[in-house]
Amino acid sequence: GAGVSQSPRYKVAKRGQDVALRCDPISGHVSLFWYQQALGQGPEFLTYFQNEAQLDKSGLPSDRFFAERPEGSVSTLKIQRTQQEDSAVYLCASSSTHPSGSDTEAFFGQGTRLTVV
Amino acid sequence: AQSVTQLDSQVPVFEEAPVELRCNYSSSVSVYLFWYVQYPNQGLQLLLKYLSGSTLVKGINGFEAEFNKSQTSFHLRKPSVHISDTAEYFCAVYSSASKIIFGSGTRLSIRP
Repeated sequence: GAGVSQSPRYKVAKRGQDVALRCDPISGHVSLFWYQQALGQGPEFLTYFQNEAQLDKSGLPSDRFFAERPEGSVSTLKIQRTQQEDSAVYLCASSSTHPSGSDTEAFFGQGTRLTVV
Repeated sequence: AQSVTQLDSQVPVFEEAPVELRCNYSSSVSVYLFWYVQYPNQGLQLLLKYLSGSTLVKGINGFEAEFNKSQTSFHLRKPSVHISDTAEYFCAVYSSASKIIFGSGTRLSIRP
């Protein structure tokens, strides 16, 4: 596709339910990031992949959060036993190299809005 | 640790007026700085970035930003805004730990 695609766009989960959020990065992009954006806040870093390797997961808020990118392309963010505080927009971004490079940038998807009720 | 502060949560301006959105950063090392725009129900779009070189950086949609090392600032400016500039703007810094750290955002609202 032309850009980063995330699905679903909206997800309502009952407290305690497990959810899986999908990110399709731009084809060939090496780097993939997940961010959490609470209402009225800036995006907060969750985790970073370079190809299939998860190089940084320091932002994952608890062991209920798990991300994978097994073949170095599509990534899934899984949240187990969802809580109300997990309600947020989850953004995925991809980049052909690290986005600090002089000739590249991170492209963001439209996000998945998760509401835990 | 690197961080970004956007002091203004909301900035209302009249159409065709100039605007400045303020951003201050803290970092003990060389920085890469970014401005992103987020339109309603959309993802983030890169406006401009500073990596090195000229301190005045020009971006898309007529925006520009100036890197000021002594004041640790990276303010975003536009000489004349349009209704279509209504959005949330985020300043960000690249952390040496391979992550982009965002500020809390500034909501720009344009009055006709």
